[in-house]
Amino acid sequence: QVQLQESGPGLVKPSETLSLTCTVSGYSISSDYYWGWIRQPPGKGLEWIGTIYHSGSTYYNPSLKSRVTISVDTSKNQFSLRLTSVTAADTAVYYCARHIITQYNWFDPWGQGTLVTVSS
Amino acid sequence: DIQMTQSPSSLSASVGDRVTITCRASQSISNYLNWYQQKPGKAPKLLIYAASSLQSGVPSRFSGSGSGTDFTLIISSLQPEDFATYCCQQNYGTPWTFGQGTKVEIK
Repeated sequence: QVQLQESGPGLVKPSETLSLTCTVSGYSISSDYYWGWIRQPPGKGLEWIGTIYHSGSTYYNPSLKSRVTISVDTSKNQFSLRLTSVTAADTAVYYCARHIITQYNWFDPWGQGTLVTVSS
Repeated sequence: DIQMTQSPSSLSASVGDRVTITCRASQSISNYLNWYQQKPGKAPKLLIYAASSLQSGVPSRFSGSGSGTDFTLIISSLQPEDFATYCCQQNYGTPWTFGQGTKVEIK
């Protein structure tokens, strides 16, 4: 079955760039589907960051759009997140997920998540 | 953005109890509503999509209902593995937004 795993630094300094990678197994992301990033600050609800189609088309949350880039590397079966100019407010557990988009849309499955702390 | 508000934020229940969680949207979203289960350190799990459609493999004790602005997740008989946080997500319009979660704790 499809499985996703996030990876990347757990600590990022303020004003620097957060970079995470999601490795997909059990499915070739070049075949179909959308792929998304979601985050959850400590003690808060989930926040959709953005979504990428296997072809490279992207859709971002307007609240983060100026700082976010999501890209896909089909040769490695991975997609990635870059978030620039981070502050303490970007401290969160970051999840990647397959984003099923039909008439409705939902995230399934998800990775386990990775905690990224922004601190000097 | 469409705001999603869940109630209660937490509840205590016993094994075998019927549990009801409510999610309210700030505007009508028809039936464009999903429910997820979150456990600490685990991947969130889709339970219900399109307000009432049970995801494959999810036990039938979970059910969802509602349309417009008010939605409900019901666990008909709470099992030990159901102690978790539940959150709703609207997929009516971008940005896709989530409720703040309802934590179901052991009584």
